[in-house]
Amino acid sequence: AQSVSQHNHHVILSEAASLELGCNYSYGGTVNLFWYVQYPGQHLQLLLKYFSGDPLVKGIKGFEAEFIKSKFSFNLRKPSVQWSDTAEYFCAVNLGAGNNRKLIWGLGTSLAVNP
Amino acid sequence: GAGVSQSPSNKVTEKGKDVELRCDPISGHTALYWYRQRLGQGLEFLIYFQGNSAPDKSGLPSDRFSAERTGESVSTLTIQRTQQEDSAVYLCASRLPGTSGNTDTQYFGPGTRLTVL
Repeated sequence: AQSVSQHNHHVILSEAASLELGCNYSYGGTVNLFWYVQYPGQHLQLLLKYFSGDPLVKGIKGFEAEFIKSKFSFNLRKPSVQWSDTAEYFCAVNLGAGNNRKLIWGLGTSLAVNP
Repeated sequence: GAGVSQSPSNKVTEKGKDVELRCDPISGHTALYWYRQRLGQGLEFLIYFQGNSAPDKSGLPSDRFSAERTGESVSTLTIQRTQQEDSAVYLCASRLPGTSGNTDTQYFGPGTRLTVL
């Protein structure tokens, strides 16, 4: 069965540290890849997404992610985190053709950034 | 409204009671999803509506769960004879129609936190 794995469940960093959150998926076909973020008390919102083209995608707030097809990975990175990046981060993969697009979600990574 | 809205924001109920959760998607978004998020876990797909097509109910955990959608607007998720394991945040998301990349982004509501005592 298709699945999405996020390797880090809880990450604690100090401000200005670099961040990399792992995401791997198990599916051999064409995929669309997403990172969503949920800040404390707020809705889930899109951070960035990959559909085609340049495998290095840039998102909001200085985040980026690189799609490495050979590794089935879509890791999220930020060179220097801020306290305001404290949030829950979810990786998701979109399978299927046509309009029936269901996202398969990872379990999420809780990031705490200490000031 | 500008975003997806859900009501109520919190619901506390007794085991065995029925509950109804409501979702108002963004206007023009023909696709609507319901998810369940248990504490400390990822999102669990429940059901998906796309226009007038038959809904994809493959994620509903039992026949106590059902959902309706009126045209391309409001949706209600009904849980009958609630159990304690139904306690979770129920999230609704909507997106534009079509299959191109730009329409695949799902926009989430704030969720309904359901507590079954």
